[in-house]
Amino acid sequence: DVKVTQSSRYLVKRTGEKVFLECVQDMDHENMFWYRQDPGLGLRLIYFSYDVKMKEKGDIPEGYSVSREKKERFSLILESASTNQTSMYLCASRSGWILAGTYEQYFGPGTRLTVT
Amino acid sequence: QKEVEQDPGPLSVPEGAIVSLNCTYSNSAFQYFMWYRQYSRKGPELLMYTYSSGNKEDGRFTAQVDKSSKYISLFIRDSQPSDSATYLCAIPRGYSSASKIIFGSGTRLSIRP
Repeated sequence: DVKVTQSSRYLVKRTGEKVFLECVQDMDHENMFWYRQDPGLGLRLIYFSYDVKMKEKGDIPEGYSVSREKKERFSLILESASTNQTSMYLCASRSGWILAGTYEQYFGPGTRLTVT
Repeated sequence: QKEVEQDPGPLSVPEGAIVSLNCTYSNSAFQYFMWYRQYSRKGPELLMYTYSSGNKEDGRFTAQVDKSSKYISLFIRDSQPSDSATYLCAIPRGYSSASKIIFGSGTRLSIRP
């Protein structure tokens, strides 16, 4: 029943390190998303991708980049980790249309990243 | 003003009670409204989505939209301890699965046995 997996559940990194978070989905969804979730701020969109090698900035892209070389895999990269990037990171994949009743969305279990 | 506002709770009710979870939104152009459930240490899961005004029922869950007051609600009947989770309202900006979604900050719900 695995749908969206994330490479790590917990991660501790030092300030300035380059961090890779990987997400894999097995539903052949075209759209994939990276969010961060912080108390009181809810889910905020970092980046999304609607096709292989395509990416769009979300609401808070600063300090992050992404890579989508294969349809099933979407990676989030923290170029130089900082303490304010300590957060829960959630990957999601989606497909379908709301009006057609074919809308599907699944989230991964999340990666709790701590930057010290 | 945030586009979607949600009371963070926590909300604690006894088993069997009817639970009402609520959100307000600011943009009258929004047409679709979603509810997600997030268990501790898990990602959110889409519970249901509803279009425009009116009610939508799915088992013990009923989603209600009042567009005139820009108010959305999720009712849980005969609440169970397994319903204990954080509930997030959400509004997609468009009809496609590529559309951005605006999430509320979530209400933490606890059902006491």
